[in-house]
Amino acid sequence: NAGVMQNPRHLVRRRGQEARLRCSPMKGHSHVYWYRQLPEEGLKFMVYLQKENIIDESGMPKERFSAEFPKEGPSILRIQQVVRGDSAAYFCASSDQEYNEQFFGPGTRLTVL
Amino acid sequence: GEDVEQSLFLSVREGDSSVINCTYTDSSSTYLYWYKQEPGAGLQLLTYIFSNMDMKQDQRLTVLLNKKDKHLSLRIADTQTGDSAIYFCAGGPSGTYKYIFGTGTRLKVLA
Repeated sequence: NAGVMQNPRHLVRRRGQEARLRCSPMKGHSHVYWYRQLPEEGLKFMVYLQKENIIDESGMPKERFSAEFPKEGPSILRIQQVVRGDSAAYFCASSDQEYNEQFFGPGTRLTVL
Repeated sequence: GEDVEQSLFLSVREGDSSVINCTYTDSSSTYLYWYKQEPGAGLQLLTYIFSNMDMKQDQRLTVLLNKKDKHLSLRIADTQTGDSAIYFCAGGPSGTYKYIFGTGTRLKVLA
């Protein structure tokens, strides 16, 4: 039973480019959560999605960030026109129901040059 | 909003016990978790405790919860070099999916 998968594990982008981070939830899980971990900080909630719906994006920056979880395929966190401050580890978690335990993926470490 | 604080660093000798502490401001968390993060890796759930419990033991791990002081601790008995990692406490407030994480404690085990 594969856990939460994220790819790529490491991503390097230059300022102004776009970053796309993918998350495949655990089998049977339809709830996906994205968290961001800035250097030397704990994880901060960004967005919660169910299939084809954004439930809560209260932790997402207002501009340049978007997330989706299509009917088929992985959840995508998209960051447009990246800046150095976007450099962080981005973790995805999934659960089988809304308030049940979240299982975390290995994270994607984004470095913006 | 809730705030969760941890000391940043802890250094212990191999074989000793480690105690990692966490304080939180919001007492509405139903579950309190401890995660381990090894260098370059994701989060591994170590253990958790329900808010109506005072203590939970799981092999080398003991979790203590003092609700009055809003204090949570993780004790690792017979600490090994493989325990060197960052440890995060996290709260799962009742009725919400937004886990609140502490800043993490970096545990270094000296051989």
